Formats: sequence, C-alpha cells, structure tokens
Amino acid sequence: GAVVSQHPSWVICKSGTSVKIECRSLDFQATTMFWYRQFPKQSLMLMATSNEGSKATYEQGVEKDKFLINHASLTLSTLTVTSAHPEDSSFYICSAWRGAGADTQYFGPGTRLTVL
Amino acid sequence: GQQLNQSPQSMFIQEGEDVSMNCTSSSIFNTWLWYKQDPGEGPVLLIALYKAGELTSNGRLTAQFGITRKDSFLNISASIPSDVGIYFCAGLTGAQKLVFGQGTRLTINP
Repeated sequence: GAVVSQHPSWVICKSGTSVKIECRSLDFQATTMFWYRQFPKQSLMLMATSNEGSKATYEQGVEKDKFLINHASLTLSTLTVTSAHPEDSSFYICSAWRGAGADTQYFGPGTRLTVL
Repeated sequence: GQQLNQSPQSMFIQEGEDVSMNCTSSSIFNTWLWYKQDPGEGPVLLIALYKAGELTSNGRLTAQFGITRKDSFLNISASIPSDVGIYFCAGLTGAQKLVFGQGTRLTINP
C-alpha cells in the first residue's frame, strides 16, 4: 500500500509554454500533498503544501502565479508550471500524507521537466 | 531558516565495508527520517526515528536519533552493490514539512 504516482515521468517543452504535472495517491486518500523541486546534484526543496479543497501555501521565494497548484480531490494534486523557462528545468517530486496519525509522507517517482 | 548539515557529501568504498553518515541541525526536530534516492527516482523511506535516543534497525541499516534531537546517524553494514545511491536525512516539522540534508552520495567498488 501507500503508492504515489506522477504523470508524466518526463516532459520536454518549449520556452513560454505551460506544463501540468499530476500527482496521485493510488491506494489511499491524502489530506495533504507536497511539491518539491530538485536541481541536479542538489537536495529536495519544498515548494508548496497543498491541502484538499483549499489554496496551496507556498514556501518563501516560490512564485505562486508561476507554479499553480490544484488539489481538487483527496487523491489528486496538480502542479502547473506556467510560461516555463529553461531555468525551470528540474526534477519535480510530490509526496502525499494521509493526515493526523499517519506515520510518514510517501513520495512519487518524480517528473523530469526540460524546457528548451 | 532550518537547515540540516549532512556529511560526508560523498563516499567511495569497497563492497563489504561498513558505512556511516550523519546529520546535524541547528533546530530541534521531533522526527528524523532517512531516505535513499536512486537516479531518476523519488526518495524511498529507510528508517523513521520518533524518540530522542532511539536506535532503530532495518536489516543492515541502523539509525539513531540524538539525545538533543538535533542530530542523527545512519550506518550501513556489509555494503552491497545495490546500496549505491544518494542518502538523505530529513527532519519533520510540526507543520508536517520535511527539511532535507544535502545528501550523501555512496559509490561502491566491487
């Protein structure tokens, strides 16, 4: 149990276009989903926290208008990178948390975004 | 902001050797976690530590939560080729946010 999927696993897009990444909890309901970004040879950095049915909260320095997060259901959160630029190229990873009493977050396999 | 300092940054060892890495923080965390990440994949939880002083094992892996709740170490005994990867420590905040260390890249020579 506790499987999290991401789609797509990789995407290449042109500068200026928007890209949507999906994060799904396959066998459990996630009260909260988190979005991380990881640049090559660096650690994971939390971008935003997404609670079902409410607005996401963004970490300092993360532009909310550029990284749109929607958490429409307890099993799906989406991250849309708007007007992507080459510097947005990164590995985007989501995690899902069941809620109070849950032991830990479960991570998705990540999405590699390359902006040309 | 909160930061975790993880060391060493990289390790090159022979197969069969034991490995030790550690993490320190300027802040107290009530939960420490150790993850392994393979190239192109998301991190996978290895061990979770919930109590100060706790020593927990998972197969050949052993981790301890420091008494001060500001540090932790991870040991891997008798390393094998599939242990290759990047190991991250992480502290869990009260808001359920994870703060990650910089990672330790483990390379094993057969």
